Amino acid sequence: EVQLVQSGAEVKKPGESLKISCKASGYWFSTNWIGWVRQMPGKGLEWMGTIYPDDSDTRYSPSFQGQVTISVDKSISTAYLQWSSLKASDTATYYCARRIGPADPFDDWGQGTLVTVSS
Amino acid sequence: SYELTQPPSVSVSPGQTARITCSGDELPRHYAYWYQQKPGQAPMVVIKKDSERPSGISERFSGSSSGTTATLTISGVQAEDEADYYCQSADRLDTYWVFGGGTKLTVL
Repeated sequence: EVQLVQSGAEVKKPGESLKISCKASGYWFSTNWIGWVRQMPGKGLEWMGTIYPDDSDTRYSPSFQGQVTISVDKSISTAYLQWSSLKASDTATYYCARRIGPADPFDDWGQGTLVTVSS
Repeated sequence: SYELTQPPSVSVSPGQTARITCSGDELPRHYAYWYQQKPGQAPMVVIKKDSERPSGISERFSGSSSGTTATLTISGVQAEDEADYYCQSADRLDTYWVFGGGTKLTVL
């Protein structure tokens, strides 16, 4: 069974750094794309970027390029999303999701990580 | 930047057919995917590659695409279908993925 288990909710102050995680199991981690999706409170889904773990080929949405960093640790089948300096506007739920191939959707999703940034 | 446009809301009575559209200039070149999201839950794919229904998804869900518009059709709508629905596709070079703004389906 494919599972994507995300790290727990975070409460941070503006300017702080943060790295959240997404641990995958039940499939070959290296050869499936992992994406991150933002959902601000009461709003829609926004694709942030996607990484191919085998070679760390990473694509960012123009809206998020330079604002976040997506990475993986293949040895522990885990993907990461990190910020160097959080803003209040980063308050949202963040989902990781798996994409098997270039013509496939996000077939499997994590449970989401709520990040709250407040002074 | 590339955008996919959906109606903000669709309302239907139980048993009727709901149609949710998604418009985008690159839809003739790239597949549309559809996700259902219920409150407090992660999204779930209900249609892939324009019209394929994943295993476990009710036959009441179907998809089609013609020109610059993809359509999700839900036949015989039930109360349990009330949710937000999002389309997703790719930009011209298949470099960036984009979600539509989402459509709230209300079952009257």
